[in-house]
Amino acid sequence: NAGVTQTPKFQVLKTGQSMTLQCAQDMNHNSMYWYRQDPGMGLRLIYYSASEGTTDKGEVPNGYNVSRLNKREFSLRLESAAPSQTSVYFCASSVQGIGKETQYFGPGTRLLVL
Amino acid sequence: GDSVTQMEGPVTLSEEAFLTINCTYTATGYPSLFWYVQYPGEGLQLLLKATKADDKGSNKGFEATYRKETTSFHLEKGSVQVSDSAVYFCALTPNTGNQFYFGTGTSLTVIP
Repeated sequence: NAGVTQTPKFQVLKTGQSMTLQCAQDMNHNSMYWYRQDPGMGLRLIYYSASEGTTDKGEVPNGYNVSRLNKREFSLRLESAAPSQTSVYFCASSVQGIGKETQYFGPGTRLLVL
Repeated sequence: GDSVTQMEGPVTLSEEAFLTINCTYTATGYPSLFWYVQYPGEGLQLLLKATKADDKGSNKGFEATYRKETTSFHLEKGSVQVSDSAVYFCALTPNTGNQFYFGTGTSLTVIP
């Protein structure tokens, strides 16, 4: 049972390049989330998916798109990367999005945009 | 809207010292409250949680009590170890909806 896995672990992009961050969970969780973590800002929610087939914007969705490919996988895409998107990105999942369940986090993807 | 405020760090303590990290929240209704810990280079891990008023969450010697009257969920440990050095995040999730709200994190360093 690997939990939540993320790829890649590190990435360097040039401004304007695109990339997709991959996330998968093997815990049969309904809900999945993408956060970014910046110094002094804590974690900020980018997008979440309460269940397969649904996605919703979080606090900071601009410049990102997501796809809930199936129950296991939730990807985050940067269409045209900007230096302001330099951050550490975490994927998380939970059993149900009903407000009382623990979130399980992946190890993170460290992204540098030059 | 819902939010979490936690004490800013960094916090540096000597081994075996007493730890308190303050956390207060703003939310309607009765949210669930959490403390997560992040060790260097890793993702967040659940440390403890409480789902209703007066509940006490505990794990690995850490404790926090859900205080509805003061809207607080302070993290405490009686005797910290070097291995407790990490960043600690307070978080809440409302009793309706799917979102979690995290504090900005408090960095703890324990020196021998």
